[in-house]
Amino acid sequence: AQKVTQAQTEISVVEKEDVTLDCVYETRDTTYYLFWYKQPPSGELVFLIRRNSFDEQNEISGRYSWNFQKSTSSFNFTITASQVVDSAVYFCALSASPGGSTLGRLYFGRGTQLTVWP
Amino acid sequence: NAGVTQTPKFRILKIGQSMTLQCTQDMNHNYMYWYRQDPGMGLKLIYYSVGAGITDKGEVPNGYNVSRSTTEDFPLRLELAAPSQTSVYFCASSYLTRGTGELFFGEGSRLTVL
Repeated sequence: AQKVTQAQTEISVVEKEDVTLDCVYETRDTTYYLFWYKQPPSGELVFLIRRNSFDEQNEISGRYSWNFQKSTSSFNFTITASQVVDSAVYFCALSASPGGSTLGRLYFGRGTQLTVWP
Repeated sequence: NAGVTQTPKFRILKIGQSMTLQCTQDMNHNYMYWYRQDPGMGLKLIYYSVGAGITDKGEVPNGYNVSRSTTEDFPLRLELAAPSQTSVYFCASSYLTRGTGELFFGEGSRLTVL
């Protein structure tokens, strides 16, 4: 079964602090994809990153960075020097195709509500 | 670019009523999905489609129906609305196979069943 766990329900930080959002996943598939999405207060879902299971390189995009570790089945997301505009719900998601039979499903974690205070 | 368009954005239904949530995408994506989002529960897949004429159930299909007569449209039908169907519904589409591509989401439709 595919499962994504975001243990942090809510996180509050003050502007300019660094913050890490945790994501732990479960899958028996050897080929899978991991995603992070952002949902600001306006409600839409914004794609942030996709990572496949064969690429464990960390990625940095501006103030955002992602740490993928297969050994711990984790795909954590760090925001450096947080800003008020980073306040949103962040979802981690997993896509896997066990035996190649399941097409295109994303399994979402429950999300982490990040609030950045000025 | 329109992307994925959902209508209506808000709707209030009475128990037992029926309605259709419309979803259209103009990106020529083969894969389309309907998710529902309940508070604190993340998104759960209701139905998905891998192309015109092909649909399949997701995690929570009960009480819903879908059709996919064209590549662009993927309407979600609620028959006999129940309070448990109060939720925010998201339609999405994807351009790559087997879940490898990012999903493009509509803005969501907030449905309340009273």
